[in-house]
Amino acid sequence: SQQGEEDPQALSIQEGENATMNCSYKTSINNLQWYRQNSGRGLVHLILIRSNEREKHSGRLRVTLDTSKKSSSLLITASRAADTASYFCATATYGNNRLAFGKGNQVVVIP
Amino acid sequence: DAGVIQSPRHEVTEMGQEVTLRCKPISGHNSLFWYRQTMMRGLELLIYFNNNVPIDDSGMPEDRFSAKMPNASFSTLKIQPSEPRDSAVYFCASSLDRGEQYFGPGTRLTVT
Repeated sequence: SQQGEEDPQALSIQEGENATMNCSYKTSINNLQWYRQNSGRGLVHLILIRSNEREKHSGRLRVTLDTSKKSSSLLITASRAADTASYFCATATYGNNRLAFGKGNQVVVIP
Repeated sequence: DAGVIQSPRHEVTEMGQEVTLRCKPISGHNSLFWYRQTMMRGLELLIYFNNNVPIDDSGMPEDRFSAKMPNASFSTLKIQPSEPRDSAVYFCASSLDRGEQYFGPGTRLTVT
């Protein structure tokens, strides 16, 4: 089965900088989603981009999707200490409702 | 809506004991998912239900694990007998079709 894979695995940045994470997958998808997980908590949905969309914005988040390269990126602009978390991409295929999660990106924003 | 509710939040048990984890999904959602998360293996899908019917249980580690969804508002994940390697955080999530999944706070299970 396909699996989202994020790259890089860990990122440490200064507050105010932008953070970019990438995700690749292997097969055709219906949509791709990004989630955040704070330590000890459940995952929280951030943004969903459909296979026929190329870019989507939500607040300080910008997601791009390139289906020809089977990749997506998540950009967090003007990062804050509260953005420190693990970020996961997940893909949904046609035919079922499950998501395939990547291994996650650990992002640390230094105040 | 209160979101996905899981109980208990923490469970400490001895090896060989039965463990039952509970989940109440968000009202109106038709899919429910059980995940396990560990440092070593990351986030693993154990089983998911669609309209209360188990669709994919290929992630269930072995026969010691079983899950039920008797109605649209309740699901259980049971481990019998439990082993130390079952120690993990177990998450329940629900969604409407292929939309975003809403995760519960998790149950942190420790088997000694």
